[in-house]
Amino acid sequence: SQTIHQWPATLVQPVGSPLSLECTVEGTSNPNLYWYRQAAGRGLQLLFYSVGIGQISSEVPQNLSASRPQDRQFILSSKKLLLSDSGFYLCAWSSLYEQYFGPGTRLTVT
Amino acid sequence: SQQGEEDPQALSIQEGENATMNCSYKTSINNLQWYRQNSGRGLVHLILIRSNEREKHSGRLRVTLDTSKKSSSLLITASRAADTASYFCATPGDGGATNKLIFGTGTLLAVQP
Repeated sequence: SQTIHQWPATLVQPVGSPLSLECTVEGTSNPNLYWYRQAAGRGLQLLFYSVGIGQISSEVPQNLSASRPQDRQFILSSKKLLLSDSGFYLCAWSSLYEQYFGPGTRLTVT
Repeated sequence: SQQGEEDPQALSIQEGENATMNCSYKTSINNLQWYRQNSGRGLVHLILIRSNEREKHSGRLRVTLDTSKKSSSLLITASRAADTASYFCATPGDGGATNKLIFGTGTLLAVQP
C-alpha cells in the first residue's frame, strides 16, 4: 500500500532563516506530487506541483522553491523565511484523480 | 483563483442528525471530489463524482452533482461525534491535464455528542 511521509511535524524558525521540508512517498512509482499551504481556518493554496523528476511548476510567486531530486521525494525550500510563510504545509501525491495527503508540517515563523 | 466555495462555513449539529454541505464552482468540470480534514491533520479523500453522474453513495455519505447549476452537495446521514472535521470540495484546476485540484474554503462541521 502507498504511504506518504512528511517531516518535521512542527517547526519554529526565525525570520530570515532557511527552510527545508521533505516529503517522501512509498509504494507507487512516478506519482504527481504537490505542495500546499493552508493558513489557519482557510482552504488549501497550491504552491508547487511536479509530474516527474526535476519537473517543477510554480503556482504562486513567492520566496519558496521546490525540488524533486528523486521520483518519490519532494522538497520545499526557502533561503530566507518571512513571517507570512507561517502556516500548515501539506504534501500530496496522485496517480489518477484522487490526491493522498501527508500528515503536514506546522511552520511558525517568529 | 478559488474554484469551489462551500456553504455554510460552519455547521453545528447533534449526534444522529444529518449534515448537508454545499459547494459551488465556476467552470466546467469532469469530476468533483470531497475531502475531510480532521483538526491539524492531512486531508482524506472521501468520494469522487463524475460529471455524468447525478448522485453517488458511499456508506453514510451521499453526494449530488448538478452541472447545470455548477453545484454539489455532501450529505452525511446519522452523524457521529467522529464526523467532526472540515469538509472541502475540490475540482480539477486545468481540465484534468495534470490532476491539479482547486480546493474550496471548506465547511467546519461540529457534531455534538
